[in-house]
Amino acid sequence: GENVEQHPSTLSVQEGDSAVIKCTYSDSASNYFPWYKQELGKGPQLIIDIRSNVGEKKDQRIAVTLNKTAKHFSLHITETQPEDSAVYFCAACRSSASKIIFGSGTRLSIRP
Amino acid sequence: DGGITQSPKYLFRKEGQNVTLSCEQNLNHDAMYWYRQDPGQGLRLIYYSQIVNDFQKGDIAEGYSVSREKKESFPLTVTSAQKNPTAFYLCASRAGTGMNTEAFFGQGTRLTVV
Repeated sequence: GENVEQHPSTLSVQEGDSAVIKCTYSDSASNYFPWYKQELGKGPQLIIDIRSNVGEKKDQRIAVTLNKTAKHFSLHITETQPEDSAVYFCAACRSSASKIIFGSGTRLSIRP
Repeated sequence: DGGITQSPKYLFRKEGQNVTLSCEQNLNHDAMYWYRQDPGQGLRLIYYSQIVNDFQKGDIAEGYSVSREKKESFPLTVTSAQKNPTAFYLCASRAGTGMNTEAFFGQGTRLTVV
């Protein structure tokens, strides 16, 4: 069945350094790849997304890359700050109404 | 003020009881979803609905039931058949038509069996 694998499960980086989270998906028909940030006790919120017709997208300190051939995509956060500490989820889906398959999450901690 | 609202925020249930979690959205979205999240875990799909009066099982539907009688509402019932219901439940919605777009999440309901 459809599956999204996410690594690492935990990540600790020094404030100011970069963080990278990687995901692999199994369904070759997936064409939309969102990334969500979840703070403690709250619902996830979208931070960036990418569609299959582009290979990279950037929004200030956050960027996402997509390799459709290899079926993997990555989140890059540069110049990390304390408020970046949270759990991050990648996801993949086929169409606007289809189910969204989430990765298992990465707990990111920023060390002062 | 548009959004997706889950209620209640905290819910306690005695063993053997059914309980219903509410999810309402005023975003005019066709698709709605229910996920379960256990401590330190990812999001597992319980049920989803692509359109009114239609819904599909997700990966962990056993012990749960849903209805979609109105576009804006997608309640989840946790039945007594669910053996381990204590978890954080998240509802989401998205457009469901046209270009693939983000899902918006509610703030969640934390269910505890006492």
